[in-house]
Amino acid sequence: DQQVKQNSPSLSVQEGRISILNCDYTNSMFDYFLWYKKYPAEGPTFLISISSIKDKNEDGRFTVFLNKSAKHLSLHIVPSQPGDSAVYFCAASHTSGTYKYIFGTGTRLKVLA
Amino acid sequence: KAGVTQTPRYLIKTRGQQVTLSCSPISGHRSVSWYQQTPGQGLQFLFEYFSETQRNKGNFPGRFSGRQFSNSRSEMNVSTLELGDSALYLCASSLLAGVNEQFFGPGTRLTVL
Repeated sequence: DQQVKQNSPSLSVQEGRISILNCDYTNSMFDYFLWYKKYPAEGPTFLISISSIKDKNEDGRFTVFLNKSAKHLSLHIVPSQPGDSAVYFCAASHTSGTYKYIFGTGTRLKVLA
Repeated sequence: KAGVTQTPRYLIKTRGQQVTLSCSPISGHRSVSWYQQTPGQGLQFLFEYFSETQRNKGNFPGRFSGRQFSNSRSEMNVSTLELGDSALYLCASSLLAGVNEQFFGPGTRLTVL
């Protein structure tokens, strides 16, 4: 039972363009969401998070959008840079219940120079 | 400030053996979580320790166990290894338990032959 889904295993984008990574979840109790970036041979690195009381959070080139009614969140990277090439994981949790992060399966982003 | 360290980085074992993995969190962090990463499954939560107590446990068999010491260092043990246990095991530390930013180590790559 995959409660957090990243349906695109890979994505290629031209340098300078926008990268949009998508994530869907099924548990309506989730109220906190995060994105992590992972390079080969390294652990995931926290990128950006969003609480369910917001629908958008921005940090530099990274913006996360949350659509609670659709149970969907997306990560926008603008402009995309070759150094952004990595695997991106979304994760979800609910703060009122038992703490546990549920991760998606990841999307491999390749930014072409 | 030193990051999360995990030892060993690589490990090869045979079926039926047991293995112990170690994680040292960031100084001052008291919560340690363990995840298993396999291709196609993303990061799956194993368990979380806070102040030497297991706070939460994922859906893994009892062969997977862990503990945390008074200095917040944590160990994970897998007994009676199976081929399917081959994975990258990631440790993440955070300042407190609950939903907050986690910092991941580089992982231990376990191969079971």
